[in-house]
Amino acid sequence: EPEVTQTPSHQVTQMGQEVILRCVPISNHLYFYWYRQILGQKVEFLVSFYNNEISEKSEIFDDQFSVERPDGSNFTLKIRSTKLEDSAMYFCASTLTDGIPFFGQGTRLTVV
Amino acid sequence: TQLLEQSPQFLSIQEGENLTVYCNSSSVFSSLQWYRQEPGEGPVLLVTVVTGGEVKKLKRLTFQFGDARKDSSLHITAAQPGDTGLYLCAGATNSGYALNFGKGTSLLVTP
Repeated sequence: EPEVTQTPSHQVTQMGQEVILRCVPISNHLYFYWYRQILGQKVEFLVSFYNNEISEKSEIFDDQFSVERPDGSNFTLKIRSTKLEDSAMYFCASTLTDGIPFFGQGTRLTVV
Repeated sequence: TQLLEQSPQFLSIQEGENLTVYCNSSSVFSSLQWYRQEPGEGPVLLVTVVTGGEVKKLKRLTFQFGDARKDSSLHITAAQPGDTGLYLCAGATNSGYALNFGKGTSLLVTP
């Protein structure tokens, strides 16, 4: 069964460092998303991406965040200068046009 | 941001009991999804409901979407320990595919 793959599963980084979280969406999907879940809190939408551009973003997705689809298969989330409060599980998701999103297993980001 | 309120927040029951969890909002959703999430893992889609009043069944799980498409319920019949997990509802509005999630109902089924 096709699935969304995320790497790494766990990333530890020092405050102020840049991190790149990687995702391989399901191959025939067209819409791509990043969500995050701070420990003990609800899953929050960050950004959606379609046709090589951001289609929607939340207020969380500020100038420190960026997304890219560099090679037609990978979908990345970059955090330029990490803060302690960026520590969370980050989930990538992808959908066909019908909007039913399938989530990856997540990357646990720990900022120290 | 459209808020989704899930209740109860925690539920602990014995194997074989029935239960219902609820997902409520003041907003209308074009679709509503139910997910199950295990600790440290991503949400796994259980069902999507689209039409007001729609009822979908998945083995012992019954999902209902409210007539006004503002609320939903998940009913589990004869719960089993394998049903233990966090159940999340998430709604999409007509303005896009971004999902608004509830905080979830954490279910524990003991033998």
